[in-house]
Amino acid sequence: KQEVTQIPAALSVPEGENLVLNCSFTDSAIYNLQWFRQDPGKGLTSLLLIQSSQREQTSGRLNASLDKSSGRSTLYIAASQPGDSATYLCAVNTGANSKLTFGKGITLSVRP
Amino acid sequence: DVKVTQSSRYLVKRTGEKVFLECVQDMDHENMFWYRQDPGLGLRLIYFSYDVKMKEKGDIPEGYSVSREKKERFSLILESASTNQTSMYLCASTSPGGEQYFGPGTRLTVT
Repeated sequence: KQEVTQIPAALSVPEGENLVLNCSFTDSAIYNLQWFRQDPGKGLTSLLLIQSSQREQTSGRLNASLDKSSGRSTLYIAASQPGDSATYLCAVNTGANSKLTFGKGITLSVRP
Repeated sequence: DVKVTQSSRYLVKRTGEKVFLECVQDMDHENMFWYRQDPGLGLRLIYFSYDVKMKEKGDIPEGYSVSREKKERFSLILESASTNQTSMYLCASTSPGGEQYFGPGTRLTVT
C-alpha cells in the first residue's frame, strides 16, 4: 500500500528565504505526482504536476523535482513571500483510476 | 480554466437528517472523487466514479453513498447524518492527463 510522508509538519521561515519542501513515497510505481496548496478553510489548488517520465516541472518561483527510484519529490520555493503561507500537500497517483494518495501536508509560515 | 463547484460552502444539519452534497465540473472529466479532510487525518477518499453510473468505494465509504447520473455531476449522500460526519468535504475531478482539480469544499457541521 502506497504511503506518502511529508516532514516536517510545519515550517516557519523569514521572508526572502529559498526553501525546499520534501515528500517521500514508498512505492516507486507511480504515474505522476502532484503538488497542491491549501489556504485555511479552502479547497486545494494544483501547483505542479510531474509525470513519471519527467524529472522536474517549473512554474514561476516554484520548481518541483521527482526521483522515482528513491521515492522522493521536492518543491522548491524561491524568494519566499508572506503570501506563500499555506499548507502544501503532495499526492501520488498510482494509476488505478487516478486515485491519489496524499501526504498530510506541510504548513508553511513566511514571516515578514 | 477547469472549474469544480460545490453546492454549499457551509452547511449545518441535525443528527439523522439526510444530506446531499453536490459537485459539478465543467470540463467533461470522467473521473470524479469525494474526500473528507479532518485535522491530523489528512484527506481520505470516500467514493470515486470513473463514468456515469459507475462508482467505487474509497477508504471510508461507511455511512455514505453517491450518485452520478450525469457526467458533470457527482453527488455525495449522507443517509442519516451523525456527529462524526462533521468534516470538510472536498470534491475533485481529474483531467485525461492526470491532473486533479478540487472544488472549494463544504464545511459540514452535524449537531
